Amino acid sequence: QLQLQESGPGLVKPSETLSLTCTVSGGSISSSSYYWGWIRQPPEKGLEWIGNIYYSGSTFYNPSLKSRVIISVDTSNNQFSLKVNSVTATDTAVYYCARLESSATFDFWGQGALVIVSS
Amino acid sequence: DIQMTQSPSTLSAYVGDRVTITCRASQSISSWLAWYQQKPGKAPKLLIYKASTLEGGVPSRFSGSESGTEFTLTISSLQPDDFATYYCQQYNSFPYTFGQGTKLEIK
Repeated sequence: QLQLQESGPGLVKPSETLSLTCTVSGGSISSSSYYWGWIRQPPEKGLEWIGNIYYSGSTFYNPSLKSRVIISVDTSNNQFSLKVNSVTATDTAVYYCARLESSATFDFWGQGALVIVSS
Repeated sequence: DIQMTQSPSTLSAYVGDRVTITCRASQSISSWLAWYQQKPGKAPKLLIYKASTLEGGVPSRFSGSESGTEFTLTISSLQPDDFATYYCQQYNSFPYTFGQGTKLEIK
């Protein structure tokens, strides 16, 4: 059974860089059938798509975050990662990693990682 | 960006009721619309994609339909497990966008 697990610091200082890694198990991140994505959810708010990556490294980003976000893939470790730089309190959220299947919907999700931006 | 507007924001209903949640897109998205269910403290779960196709393992009491840029999620007979927040998502074009959510509460 496919599983995704987010990992990374739960507390980041303002103006610093938020870094999270998603480890995929039970399946290969190098499958040609899937993209991999990041979505976030501020406390008590709705969902915001951050971006997607293919195993080849091809990326798509939300323009609202594009200038501050980098998504990368590490096929040797079956992982993909998210970096958001110059964070502020508005970046406080639960960050989810997820798989996009062929219809471009998110069919498998990680449990989510809460990241708080605070000094 | 394509705006997705869900209604209502909150819905109270009894077990056994038939309920409908609506999602309206600000422009045409063809049928590229998904519905997710989210319970407190959990990740969203995919219920329906391509407006009306049920994801594997999702009970048949869930159904989706479309009319132009208006999409509906219907639960034919509410079960206790269905009380959650529901989100629509368009994947017709980047950036993918979600509705603001509909919280389904027990009456």
